[in-house]
Amino acid sequence: AQSVTQLDSHVSVSEGTPVLLRCNYSSSYSPSLFWYVQHPNKGLQLLLKYTSAATLVKGINGFEAEFKKSETSFHLTKPSAHMSDAAEYFCVVTVEYGNKLVFGAGTILRVKS
Amino acid sequence: DAGVTQSPTHLIKTRGQQVTLRCSPISGHKSVSWYQQVLGQGPQFIFQYYEKEERGRGNFPDRFSARQFPNYSSELNVNALLLGDSALYLCASSPRPRGQTDTQYFGPGTRLTVL
Repeated sequence: AQSVTQLDSHVSVSEGTPVLLRCNYSSSYSPSLFWYVQHPNKGLQLLLKYTSAATLVKGINGFEAEFKKSETSFHLTKPSAHMSDAAEYFCVVTVEYGNKLVFGAGTILRVKS
Repeated sequence: DAGVTQSPTHLIKTRGQQVTLRCSPISGHKSVSWYQQVLGQGPQFIFQYYEKEERGRGNFPDRFSARQFPNYSSELNVNALLLGDSALYLCASSPRPRGQTDTQYFGPGTRLTVL
């Protein structure tokens, strides 16, 4: 069965330093992978998606992620954190050709001034 | 363009009651999915509907049901509410249910509290 594991439940960085949120996936076929962000008391916003085109995917707000099949990873990075990046981030894999999304447990990103 | 809309925003019910949540997809989107997000966890898939037909169901009891209307809006119904049903219920729309390039766009959610 398809699944994702977010390796850190909480990540804390200082403003202006790099962000790394780690995600490993398990899939029996070529997956589609997504990162969504959820700000407090808000819905989910799509950051970026991988759909078997380029392995390095660029998203909104300076985020990017690299699909590494050999490592079954899809880590999210950003060169320089901003206070507004503080939120919860979800790594997501599709199953059944996009019929439903399977979410990781989430990583809460804290940005210190 | 308007995004996915959900109503109501918040809802308080007591155990044993029934609740109906509503969702309007993005214009032109024909598929609607429902997710339950319990506090501190990632969303869990409940249902997907396309062209008024159920196309996917998650591991939820029969107390949960849904339907989709000709205008592609959708309702999620939960009967005999339990305390454990307290959660944020998210609706997502996409152009169609299949196809790995399709993205699901989420609404702001309905916060259900069961007392």
